[in-house]
Amino acid sequence: KQEVTQIPAALSVPEGENLVLNCSFTDSAIYNLQWFRQDPGKGLTSLLLIQSSQREQTSGRLNASLDKSSGRSTLYIAASQPGDSATYLCAVNRDDKIIFGKGTRLHILP
Amino acid sequence: DAGVIQSPRHEVTEMGQEVTLRCKPISGHDYLFWYRQTMMRGLELLIYFNNNVPIDDSGMPEDRFSAKMPNASFSTLKIQPSEPRDSAVYFCASSVTREQYFGPGTRLTVT
Repeated sequence: KQEVTQIPAALSVPEGENLVLNCSFTDSAIYNLQWFRQDPGKGLTSLLLIQSSQREQTSGRLNASLDKSSGRSTLYIAASQPGDSATYLCAVNRDDKIIFGKGTRLHILP
Repeated sequence: DAGVIQSPRHEVTEMGQEVTLRCKPISGHDYLFWYRQTMMRGLELLIYFNNNVPIDDSGMPEDRFSAKMPNASFSTLKIQPSEPRDSAVYFCASSVTREQYFGPGTRLTVT
């Protein structure tokens, strides 16, 4: 059974710093991995999707990597801003089903 | 495109009442997913459809929960009878290329 883990559950970082969020999964047979952002009381916004054949994807200050063999993904945020404060969830897709981690709650300190 | 549309955005009901949540997926998407999010359990997949056909409902917690997709542009999730432990945020998502797009969610409170 696929399990997705995100550590830490919460993280506070001073504005301007670069940071890395971690995601691990137990079954490497995945179609893709997706990173989402969720603001309080809101829905999920897709940030990056990495296909199983890819190693990384980039969008602006965000870079996501995927290492299927080790069951790991990272989301790198460069030059963090207060507006980056949110919960970040990773999700793995297999057999058309997505399994979510419980997220990392990120707080950027002004 | 307006994105995935859900209604109502908030629902407060009494225990034992029937609750119906609605979802309009993005036009052209052939997959539709219903999720439930709670603090304790995180985001859980309840059921998903492909081309209006239910594919996997193993996440539906009990027989009190049912979902339908009568056409490509509309789906419902029904809880009958509702219980306080059903209180959660219910999300609908749609996809066409296995990249999921989420609606804003319905916050359900059962008293």
